[in-house]
Amino acid sequence: DTAVSQTPKYLVTQMGNDKSIKCEQNLGHDTMYWYKQDSKKFLKIMFSYNNKELIINETVPNRFSPKSPDKAHLNLHINSLELGDSAVYFCASSHAGGGGEQYFGPGTRLTVT
Amino acid sequence: DQQVKQNSPSLSVQEGRISILNCDYTNSMFDYFLWYKKYPAEGPTFLISISSIKDKNEDGRFTVFLNKSAKHLSLHIVPSQPGDSAVYFCAASERGGYKLSFGAGTTVTVRA
Repeated sequence: DTAVSQTPKYLVTQMGNDKSIKCEQNLGHDTMYWYKQDSKKFLKIMFSYNNKELIINETVPNRFSPKSPDKAHLNLHINSLELGDSAVYFCASSHAGGGGEQYFGPGTRLTVT
Repeated sequence: DQQVKQNSPSLSVQEGRISILNCDYTNSMFDYFLWYKKYPAEGPTFLISISSIKDKNEDGRFTVFLNKSAKHLSLHIVPSQPGDSAVYFCAASERGGYKLSFGAGTTVTVRA
């Protein structure tokens, strides 16, 4: 049973399009995250939600909008896609309170052409 | 500005020998340190962690050492096995913080 799942695993789209990536966790965690792994392989946090409330927003362009319909889901919507958005996006979750382990999904490889 | 640095992009080790991965950090507010392992086309998997109140934590073949004064930690894998071939990321967070800061990763290759 997958703990943190993401769909789709691969996403190829053209510049200017709008796309969404979905994330679900069945670990009962209160906090969920989106990370971006760029071409240099650095993993950088983008957003975090705790109990559906946004708690981290790391200077990400406002074309990126996270949405958390409930504690188990955190989706990422991206408007007007640009070439530089090409990356692997990872969803993660953890217990509330911070300072603990985060559990990652398998990643979504987004390619913008 | 990278607050967590893994200066060795790759490490090759013979099966059965020790693998030593190093990580340095600059933020003195970091309180909790983690190592993640990542296979291609998969997400990072939590491996082992250490709190700043400790200087060593062991879990089977994996041991993490923390030197707070030097702002340095290391991961020892003994003995190394072929299945250990992966990218290893060092990460850190501040006390009670939700944000993990990651290093660039070290690719470990275990030779048979």
